[in-house]
Amino acid sequence: SQQGEEDPQALSIQEGENATMNCSYKTSINNLQWYRQNSGRGLVHLILIRSNEREKHSGRLRVTLDTSKKSSSLLITASRAADTASYFCATDEEPGGSYIPTFGRGTSLIVHP
Amino acid sequence: EAGVAQSPRYKIIEKRQSVAFWCNPISGHATLYWYQQILGQGPKLLIQFQNNGVVDDSQLPKDRFSAERLKGVDSTLKIQPAKLEDSAVYLCASSLFAGQETQYFGPGTRLLVL
Repeated sequence: SQQGEEDPQALSIQEGENATMNCSYKTSINNLQWYRQNSGRGLVHLILIRSNEREKHSGRLRVTLDTSKKSSSLLITASRAADTASYFCATDEEPGGSYIPTFGRGTSLIVHP
Repeated sequence: EAGVAQSPRYKIIEKRQSVAFWCNPISGHATLYWYQQILGQGPKLLIQFQNNGVVDDSQLPKDRFSAERLKGVDSTLKIQPAKLEDSAVYLCASSLFAGQETQYFGPGTRLLVL
């Protein structure tokens, strides 16, 4: 099952613009993570935000979390062509106390130079 | 620090054949994950190990898929017999321990079943 669902599915912008992608989930979570995947490569961890946090920054990345709306957003400022990739949110489900990581379908970002 | 290693990187087989993938996690990482990623979708967890024990394998098609991590370090994932719908990238990841921790992914094995 896929808990997190990213929106939009695809995003095309010019270099220097900001890119915003959203993630919605269904059940309560302990944390939410964002990953990047370049074409044909493995996933790279970007940022983790815990359920008691509302906003987190890392370089040009800003992540927000709204647990009342069960949603998160990832903002990439001043985008670069190298940011072209797929971005996934991952949440944790805890059936029976075990942490089960669950990924969404991802947002495909294209940054035109 | 060496990353997660996977082999082979690519594999082409015919349906009903068997195939095995290998993963060596980051040294000291107790938790190891195998994911299946079909084109255009996000990774789907197949099985999660904590040391050499299985934490979750609820999404592993056990009639054809098997995985082991005998010594709590490297792991193998096997498919026997393969079906056309098994064509996907198989990703291995590891983390220090289970429970909301950052996962480090290997480059994946791209499987094509003809």
